[in-house]
Amino acid sequence: DIQMTQSPSSLSASVGDRVTITCRASQSISSYLNWYQQKPGKAPKLLIYGASSLQSGVPSRFSGSGSGTDFTLTISSLQPEDFATYFCQQSYSFPYTFGQGTKLEIK
Amino acid sequence: EVQLVESGGGLVQPGGSLRLSCAASGFTVSSNYMSWVRQAPGKGLEWVSVIYSGGSTYYADSVKGRFTISRDNSKNTLYLQMNSLRAEDTAVYYCARDLYFLGQRSDYWGQGTLVTVSS
Repeated sequence: DIQMTQSPSSLSASVGDRVTITCRASQSISSYLNWYQQKPGKAPKLLIYGASSLQSGVPSRFSGSGSGTDFTLTISSLQPEDFATYFCQQSYSFPYTFGQGTKLEIK
Repeated sequence: EVQLVESGGGLVQPGGSLRLSCAASGFTVSSNYMSWVRQAPGKGLEWVSVIYSGGSTYYADSVKGRFTISRDNSKNTLYLQMNSLRAEDTAVYYCARDLYFLGQRSDYWGQGTLVTVSS
C-alpha cells in the first residue's frame, strides 16, 4: 500500500496568514493527489484534485502543487472559515490511502 | 442538485451484520463511480470500497471478504453489506460520488451514518 504522510500534524495560524501543508507519498503517484477539508461533524469537502486543479466553487486562495512524491496545499490568506482539518489522498493505486490529517487551528 | 443520504447505521454486536444504504438524487448512480469511506471516532479517513460504472468493485484489505458494495439501479441507491463485523469497524461511514477524469476523486459526499460494533 502507498503510505501518505502529512506535515505538520497540527498548525496554529492567524487570519490573513499564508499557510502551507505538505503531503509525501511513499512512492511516486504522478499527479494523482487530492486534498480535502473537513470541519467537525461534517463530511469532507474536495478542494484540489490532480495535485493542482481547483474544484469548482472552491476559493482561489487555495492552491495545490507537486508531482511524484511531494505535494503541497497552500492557503494564501487564511480566512476564519478555513480553520479545519485537511487530508491528502492518493488515487494512483488501490487502496486509495489518505494522509493522517493536518489540523489547522486559530492562533 | 446532487444529494447523497446514508442510512442503516446503528449498534451491532461483534460478528453481526449490517447493510448501509446511500440514496442518491440529482445524478444516476449506475453511470458513476461510487465509493464508501469511513472515519473511526476521532481518527482520520479510511477508504473502504468503490464500484465502477461498469460494475467492477475494489476493497480495502481490512474489509475484503467481509464487506460487499453493490447498487440498485431502479432505486438509484448504493449499498454496503457488512458481515462479520469487528470492533475496529466502528466508524462513521460516508458514501461519495467519484469523478475520474484527471484522477479519481470524491466530489459529493453524504452526511455519514454511524456504525458501532460493541457487545
